[in-house]
Amino acid sequence: DAGVIQSPRHEVTEMGQEVTLRCKPISGHDYLFWYRQTMMRGLELLIYFNNNVPIDDSGMPEDRFSAKMPNASFSTLKIQPSEPRDSAVYFCASSFGYEAFFGQGTRLTVV
Amino acid sequence: RKEVEQDPGPFNVPEGATVAFNCTYSNSASQSFFWYRQDCRKEPKLLMSVYSSGNEDGRFTAQLNRASQYISLLIRDSKLSDSATYLCVVNGGGGADGLTFGKGTHLIIQP
Repeated sequence: DAGVIQSPRHEVTEMGQEVTLRCKPISGHDYLFWYRQTMMRGLELLIYFNNNVPIDDSGMPEDRFSAKMPNASFSTLKIQPSEPRDSAVYFCASSFGYEAFFGQGTRLTVV
Repeated sequence: RKEVEQDPGPFNVPEGATVAFNCTYSNSASQSFFWYRQDCRKEPKLLMSVYSSGNEDGRFTAQLNRASQYISLLIRDSKLSDSATYLCVVNGGGGADGLTFGKGTHLIIQP
């Protein structure tokens, strides 16, 4: 298996634009997590899914953020409209038990 | 919200020395504990799980103290390649639910 695949690896966008981050989890994993990492706040859990159903989205900073998982092999995290303070590395991770496997992340810069 | 606290460091340690760092967690119901390693500009990867009886993997030893609610990581005979950020991870409710990451301890091994 290729591991968790995220795209794009880097994204630079202007304030106010819509940004969509994509994730393909490891086949067979039933949990999917979206994390955001900044120097100031470290690694923060935004939302996670179990069997494609959102379980806890309490970490989503505000309504500008939304996440979907239409099937077991694909998830998106959308920011609309984007703001400079959204600049961070966004990680997707998947799990079938206790260990979480991370994708390589999307480095988002909002200017 | 569950909290996981770590000393951010940096810990500057000469090559060959032994280094240890702790992590405290606030949720007494936490059931699973892990140490992840994150290299600069890379994704976190599982270093080792932490069992109640303690566990050792080569130069690395992890221990859990439930009474005081902390876990520890000991690295013996440190190598330059051990330089990284070490993330403490606590799972609150069993399974993969509620994975909470500490902000990490930055370790620098000096030649």
